[in-house]
Amino acid sequence: SQKIEQNSEALNIQEGKTATLTCNYTNYSPAYLQWYRQDPGRGPVFLLLIRENEKEKRKERLKVTFDTTLKQSLFHITASQPADSATYLCALAKGGGADGLTFGKGTHLIIQP
Amino acid sequence: KAGVTQTPRYLIKTRGQQVTLSCSPISGHRSVSWYQQTPGQGLQFLFEYFSETQRNKGNFPGRFSGRQFSNSRSEMNVSTLELGDSALYLCASSLVASSTDTQYFGPGTRLTVL
Repeated sequence: SQKIEQNSEALNIQEGKTATLTCNYTNYSPAYLQWYRQDPGRGPVFLLLIRENEKEKRKERLKVTFDTTLKQSLFHITASQPADSATYLCALAKGGGADGLTFGKGTHLIIQP
Repeated sequence: KAGVTQTPRYLIKTRGQQVTLSCSPISGHRSVSWYQQTPGQGLQFLFEYFSETQRNKGNFPGRFSGRQFSNSRSEMNVSTLELGDSALYLCASSLVASSTDTQYFGPGTRLTVL
């Protein structure tokens, strides 16, 4: 069955450094990959979408890579700030609206001042 | 532009009862998706509606059902509630499709089954 893995352990990063989160998947050939941020008690907030034919996408301090050979996406936050502390979720979908989004369980990121 | 709204925000039910949750998408959005979030399983896809038709369905029992109205508002229903149905139920809307468009989530409905 398809499986999405994100680091279950919390990731502690010092303020100002680059935080890198990993999303690995198996038994899946996604056409789209999305990243979300979720704060406690709130719904997820969309951050970035990357397509299978795109290697990299950037938005302000955020960068996402998508390697369909390694079956992996990396999510980078540069010049991290304590306000970036949250849980980050990756989500995958096939093309053509063939299914809904399948989410990973998320990685809890803590940016320490 | 108003965001996605969900009602009620909190709900307490007992086993065997049924419950109906409501979601109002962002104006102009035609796709509405529902998710269940629990600490153990994370965020799991329930179903997606587009123009009043169920487009996709996740791996949940038939006790979970939904519908979408002509104004894109959506409801989901859970019948014969079980303790394991206790969760945060999230609704999300997008212009056309959850997979390819930005998805906007509501604040969720916290359901507790006693």
